[in-house]
Amino acid sequence: GEDVEQSLFLSVREGDSSVINCTYTDSSSTYLYWYKQEPGAGLQLLTYIFSNMDMKQDQRLTVLLNKKDKHLSLRIADTQTGDSAIYFCAEIGGSYIPTFGRGTSLIVHP
Amino acid sequence: EPEVTQTPSHQVTQMGQEVILRCVPISNHLYFYWYRQILGQKVEFLVSFYNNEISEKSEIFDDQFSVERPDGSNFTLKIRSTKLEDSAMYFCATLGGNTEAFFGQGTRLTVV
Repeated sequence: GEDVEQSLFLSVREGDSSVINCTYTDSSSTYLYWYKQEPGAGLQLLTYIFSNMDMKQDQRLTVLLNKKDKHLSLRIADTQTGDSAIYFCAEIGGSYIPTFGRGTSLIVHP
Repeated sequence: EPEVTQTPSHQVTQMGQEVILRCVPISNHLYFYWYRQILGQKVEFLVSFYNNEISEKSEIFDDQFSVERPDGSNFTLKIRSTKLEDSAMYFCATLGGNTEAFFGQGTRLTVV
């Protein structure tokens, strides 16, 4: 089946930029998503990008997509302690079923 | 912002009992999903529902599970005879024509 891979942990200092990476295998992916999950909470849709785009910016968030390499990244500028959470990459293709990565735990320390 | 609502937020049930998890999808969305997340693990696809029927289901979604949309608004997941390993967070999600996939806050199911 299709797969989405992410590194499990990322630790950054408050005020620095965070970059969370994701790779996927589904060549028919049409939309790619980033979700944020705080402890004990649900999945909050942060942003998404259409597969014919290579960049999308939304305030502190920048999504970069390299479709040839099937690589997606989420950059958070000026990372704050409130950004500490698990970030999930997900993709949706022809099956219309979002497929998730395992999530990256972002730890922001002072 | 549109919202997917799930109830209850937490359910504790005894092994072998039936549970029904409820979801109110975003109106005019066409695709509905249930996902499961065992504590600390991956978000796993269970089932998708389109045009009032199951369109896809995973290996996890065995005969103990069923879904329905009884009244055209609510979307339910039933587990007939719960097992300890069914303890997890269950998420409902909906997808509309603009392809934004929204998730509910989840129902934490604890089987004791």
